[in-house]
Amino acid sequence: AQSVTQPDIHITVSEGASLELRCNYSYGATPYLFWYVQSPGQGLQLLLKYFSGDTLVQGIKGFEAEFKRSQSSFNLRKPSVHWSDAAEYFCAVGPPHNAGNMLTFGGGTRLMVKP
Amino acid sequence: EAGVAQSPRYKIIEKRQSVAFWCNPISGHATLYWYQQILGQGPKLLIQFQNNGVVDDSQLPKDRFSAERLKGVDSTLKIQPAKLEDSAVYLCASSKAGGTGELFFGEGSRLTVL
Repeated sequence: AQSVTQPDIHITVSEGASLELRCNYSYGATPYLFWYVQSPGQGLQLLLKYFSGDTLVQGIKGFEAEFKRSQSSFNLRKPSVHWSDAAEYFCAVGPPHNAGNMLTFGGGTRLMVKP
Repeated sequence: EAGVAQSPRYKIIEKRQSVAFWCNPISGHATLYWYQQILGQGPKLLIQFQNNGVVDDSQLPKDRFSAERLKGVDSTLKIQPAKLEDSAVYLCASSKAGGTGELFFGEGSRLTVL
């Protein structure tokens, strides 16, 4: 069965510092990979997705993620964090070629930003 | 373009009572999902509809949870009778049929069972 692990439950960074959120997955084949962000009291919003091709994908709000097949990882990065990035971030996997179906989410990483 | 609408935003009930949540997806989105998000956890899929048919309800506790999507548009999720462990945020999401995997989420309905 597929699973997603986000090892860091909470992360605190200073505004302007770089950020990396970790995501590891277990899946029978290379899945489709997603990062979603959830601001307090809001629904989830898609940041970026990886289906195939270039392993470094760009998303909205200055985020990027790198797919590493050998490590079964899809870590999210941002070079310079803004206070408005404080939110909860979820990594998710879905079956290839059927991307809209049956997403499995990780437990989330809560990001706090220090002024 | 209007987003996914959910109501009510908040609901507090006693255990063994019933509750219903409503969701109106983005216009034209054929696929509708209900997720349960327990505090501190990621969302867990309860049920997925394609138009008005069920695609997957394997994780729906069918002894107490039911969902319908009449006419392939809006949907209702019902819990009867509620248990303490049902306290969670119930998220509705929609996507285009055969789309790129992007789910559009509503703001959720927070349920507290006392």
